[in-house]
Amino acid sequence: QQPVQSPQAVILREGEDAVINCSSSKALYSVHWYRQKHGEAPVFLMILLKGGEQKGHDKISASFNEKKQQSSLYLTASQLSYSGTYFCGTETHQKVTFGTGTKLQVIP
Amino acid sequence: DADVTQTPRNRITKTGKRIMLECSQTKGHDRMYWYRQDPGLGLQLIYYSFDVKDINKGEISDGYSVSRQAQAKFSLSLESAIPNQTALYFCATSEQGGTDTQYFGPGTRLTVL
Repeated sequence: QQPVQSPQAVILREGEDAVINCSSSKALYSVHWYRQKHGEAPVFLMILLKGGEQKGHDKISASFNEKKQQSSLYLTASQLSYSGTYFCGTETHQKVTFGTGTKLQVIP
Repeated sequence: DADVTQTPRNRITKTGKRIMLECSQTKGHDRMYWYRQDPGLGLQLIYYSFDVKDINKGEISDGYSVSRQAQAKFSLSLESAIPNQTALYFCATSEQGGTDTQYFGPGTRLTVL
């Protein structure tokens, strides 16, 4: 069963912040986040393992609440280069199931 | 050179034809995956392989078959293509299972008329 992502789409002005949420009905071992630019392959952002950890690089970070089976991706001070579709992937039994994606557009 | 390559990059075919999409990787990974992407549906897993002798069905395997010819090669076949198989197909690899990064190929855009 696919994880549910929200919002489905968001438009930001440069410098604004955004949060993308991912929730699953199944117990999770890990959560993956990928970004896909139009016409390109998805590119890995980060993996969070159960244990409630947070990770981040540059101005993109994420949290994982295994009890709630939820993860959130935080984009701070967004840049034009952040535009794309963000997918979460939830792992059970060594398989990753991807959500339907959140389309993010950053405008000047 | 790209680590994960897919051929062809674009293909237009007719209903009922047999089609093979090929994926090669130079990363030395054991695990390979085939995904299908439709607008609004995200990435759906078709088949996955944990090594040459271990092939498993994903969420949407009906109408597809795969062959793992070697560690580096994983092919996807559509035995008799139908229009609703028109989609973008991605191959991916990973070193381990679910807790490892997946590296995606550039994709194959398939149109079935």
